[in-house]
Amino acid sequence: NAGVTQTPKFQVLKTGQSMTLQCAQDMNHEYMSWYRQDPGMGLRLIHYSVGAGITDQGEVPNGYNVSRSTTEDFPLRLLSAAPSQTSVYFCASRPNLAGAYNEQFFGPGTRLTVL
Amino acid sequence: AQSVTQLGSHVSVSEGALVLLRCNYSSSVPPYLFWYVQYPNQGLQLLLKYTSAATLVKGINGFEAEFKKSETSFHLTKPSAHMSDAAEYFCAVSDPGGYSTLTFGKGTMLLVSP
Repeated sequence: NAGVTQTPKFQVLKTGQSMTLQCAQDMNHEYMSWYRQDPGMGLRLIHYSVGAGITDQGEVPNGYNVSRSTTEDFPLRLLSAAPSQTSVYFCASRPNLAGAYNEQFFGPGTRLTVL
Repeated sequence: AQSVTQLGSHVSVSEGALVLLRCNYSSSVPPYLFWYVQYPNQGLQLLLKYTSAATLVKGINGFEAEFKKSETSFHLTKPSAHMSDAAEYFCAVSDPGGYSTLTFGKGTMLLVSP
């Protein structure tokens, strides 16, 4: 199994540009989530999904959009990039919809810089 | 709402010394608690988790943590630090009900000197 994969690894955008960060998992996990990591802030939840067609907002959803058309994929879209969105983005998944005791498996991250 | 406080953004120890990383949580219900480790330029990896089965939890790489309900704490310890333990450590809390999102602390960077 590849686990959780993310593309691209690095990305530089100009203010106002849009882009999609890709996330895929091959573990048939129902629950998937996106976090951003900023120095001194830990990881903050952007959006999450509990299954295909079901998404919800996390702590910092503004400026981001998600959809979940398949169990495997959970892309994160930046609608109009801003310098405040410069961050490292992590995608994670976990088994079992109601299994809060299950660990989340993290992808390697995407480092995004917005100029 | 649940929250996590990690005391100390940086902790420095000598190789062979005791490692103690502090985590206090706030939750309206008995939570599930996790410690994750992040090595430079990598994703997060689970060290250990508390899910109410036992208050003393043993994890990978010689780490362990003790859940103390009266102190709302879940501190991470390792008897003897190794150079390879240098990394950032995150404590996280999850409520057992509903869809149970994970809330992270701000992290503690562990520095290990020879």
